[in-house]
Amino acid sequence: AQKITQTQPGMFVQEKEAVTLDCTYDTSDQSYGLFWYKQPSSGEMIFLIYQGSYDEQNATEGRYSLNFQKARKSANLVISASQLGDSAMYFCAMREQGSARQLTFGSGTQLTVLP
Amino acid sequence: EAGVAQSPRYKIIEKRQSVAFWCNPISGHATLYWYQQILGQGPKLLIQFQNNGVVDDSQLPKDRFSAERLKGVDSTLKIQPAKLEDSAVYLCASSLTRTPGWETQYFGPGTRLLVL
Repeated sequence: AQKITQTQPGMFVQEKEAVTLDCTYDTSDQSYGLFWYKQPSSGEMIFLIYQGSYDEQNATEGRYSLNFQKARKSANLVISASQLGDSAMYFCAMREQGSARQLTFGSGTQLTVLP
Repeated sequence: EAGVAQSPRYKIIEKRQSVAFWCNPISGHATLYWYQQILGQGPKLLIQFQNNGVVDDSQLPKDRFSAERLKGVDSTLKIQPAKLEDSAVYLCASSLTRTPGWETQYFGPGTRLLVL
């Protein structure tokens, strides 16, 4: 079974609007971390935001927020006020306590911001 | 603070040839990771080092791939001999320490390998 599922291969959003990128995960661990990375066409993976499984508050970092719903095992990324520079591939990743703590990535969502 | 450095950025080789990639992590980062990212997929961990010791290499195809981190700083990943399916981006990442907590991994720009 897929550990990280991103069901949206591609998304379009108008500049200055908000967009939600979906991510669901599967784990039997009680302690785990969820991460979002951005990968522009240049190829580098850029860390955006992190949520721990025991964190009660949703994580926020500037225009990025993580909508964490533990019971539904979802960790959606919300980007507010989209900018043209937000056009990139976005990856959701999980790190479980019981798996040598390596990152497992989803297949990604290609976001295109339209002017 | 300098980020994770990788070289070369691009490499084109023929199948059965050998190739090596180099990575220099962020200064002070004890943990180093090599990932393989095939087009259209998320990165997949190949090997994880803690200082100069291997923590996890369960997904490294050891018949053709090797990696070392001799002095606990920079690292080299080698493929010998290369196959067509090795065409991918090879990403190096580093993090401050393995335990405790959920330390963030910082990635380099990657090396794009094309095997013809």
